[in-house]
Amino acid sequence: AQSVTQPDIHITVSEGASLELRCNYSYGATPYLFWYVQSPGQGLQLLLKYFSGDTLVQGIKGFEAEFKRSQSSFNLRKPSVHWSDAAEYFCASGGSQGNLIFGKGTKLSVKP
Amino acid sequence: DTEVTQTPKHLVMGMTNKKSLKCEQHMGHRAMYWYKQKAKKPPELMFVYSYEKLSINESVPSRFSPECPNSSLLNLHLHALQPEDSALYLCASSPLTKLAYTQYFGPGTRLTVL
Repeated sequence: AQSVTQPDIHITVSEGASLELRCNYSYGATPYLFWYVQSPGQGLQLLLKYFSGDTLVQGIKGFEAEFKRSQSSFNLRKPSVHWSDAAEYFCASGGSQGNLIFGKGTKLSVKP
Repeated sequence: DTEVTQTPKHLVMGMTNKKSLKCEQHMGHRAMYWYKQKAKKPPELMFVYSYEKLSINESVPSRFSPECPNSSLLNLHLHALQPEDSALYLCASSPLTKLAYTQYFGPGTRLTVL
């Protein structure tokens, strides 16, 4: 069965530092991959997505992600974190029924 | 515009009440979804509508009853809920194309069952 793994439950970074959130997927074919962000009590906002083509994907708010088939990974990066980036981040892949399969999420805290 | 709206934002109900959650999108999407999200957990899929027809029901108890009256509107009717049903209920929509997996989420309804 398809699955998405986010190995880090909680990450704390200092404001201005770089960020990398890890995501691994299990799927035989080329997956559809997504990163969403959720602020407390809010809905999910789409940061970026990968379907095919260029393996480095640019998203909103200065985020990017790189698809690496050899590592079954789709890690999210940002060169300089802002305090407003503190939130829960979910990696997801497209399921066989058009549904989304979510990882368990990574909570990002930002230190001043 | 990628906006999905949900009303109400908050809802408190007793176990004998009947209430409804509403979701609306005007992006021309033909797939709409209901998710349930408990604290510190990812969203769990409940229902999927495709062209106003129910296509996926993830074994959701019958006290949750979805309805899709038209392509822009999705309702979730609630009746005889339990306290463990308290959660954030999220609606999402997506186009029925190769981009069908790109789901756009509403802000959610925070439901508390007393």
